[in-house]
Amino acid sequence: NAGVTQTPKFRVLKTGQSMTLLCAQDMNHEYMYWYRQDPGMGLRLIHYSVGEGTTAKGEVPDGYNVSRLKKQNFLLGLESAAPSQTSVYFCASSYSGGRADTQYFGPGTRLTVL
Amino acid sequence: KNEVEQSPQNLTAQEGEFITINCSYSVGISALHWLQQHPGGGIVSLFMLSSGKKKHGRLIATINIQEKHSSLHITASHPRDSAVYICAVSLRPGGGADGLTFGKGTHLIIQP
Repeated sequence: NAGVTQTPKFRVLKTGQSMTLLCAQDMNHEYMYWYRQDPGMGLRLIHYSVGEGTTAKGEVPDGYNVSRLKKQNFLLGLESAAPSQTSVYFCASSYSGGRADTQYFGPGTRLTVL
Repeated sequence: KNEVEQSPQNLTAQEGEFITINCSYSVGISALHWLQQHPGGGIVSLFMLSSGKKKHGRLIATINIQEKHSSLHITASHPRDSAVYICAVSLRPGGGADGLTFGKGTHLIIQP
């Protein structure tokens, strides 16, 4: 099993450009999450999904959109990138009962917005 | 808004020392998680606990629900334990989003 994978691993964007980050898991997990990690801030929840076709906002959702069309994939979109979105993005998944279940993390995507 | 506070922020110790990292939180939780992040970025879950104590190898995690406090201990520390250790909580139903709320991490360096 590959676990949780993220594509791409690195990306540089110019302000105003758009991109999509892909997260895929092969563990048949119901819950999936997108977090961002910034120096001095710790990890913060952007959006999450409790099952195929569902999404919900986390702590810092502005400027991002997400979709969960297939159970195994969770996409994070930036429609018009801003320098404030320079960060390391982590995807995670858990089997069920997201509030009290082990989360498995992807390797991260390092995004720089110039 | 729940806050998760960790101490110390940075810790440097000699190989073989007993290490303790502390975590305090401010509201009701379903579970507390300890995570490890090595240089290069990958995040691995070490423990998830809602009461008592768990042990895995040289790592021990404890939680006191009444005092809203948890500790992560490393016995016989080794340079390969050098990493950032992150405390995170799952909030109780109705307490917020379903994801984790994180502390800022403790950067641990074990010198040979």
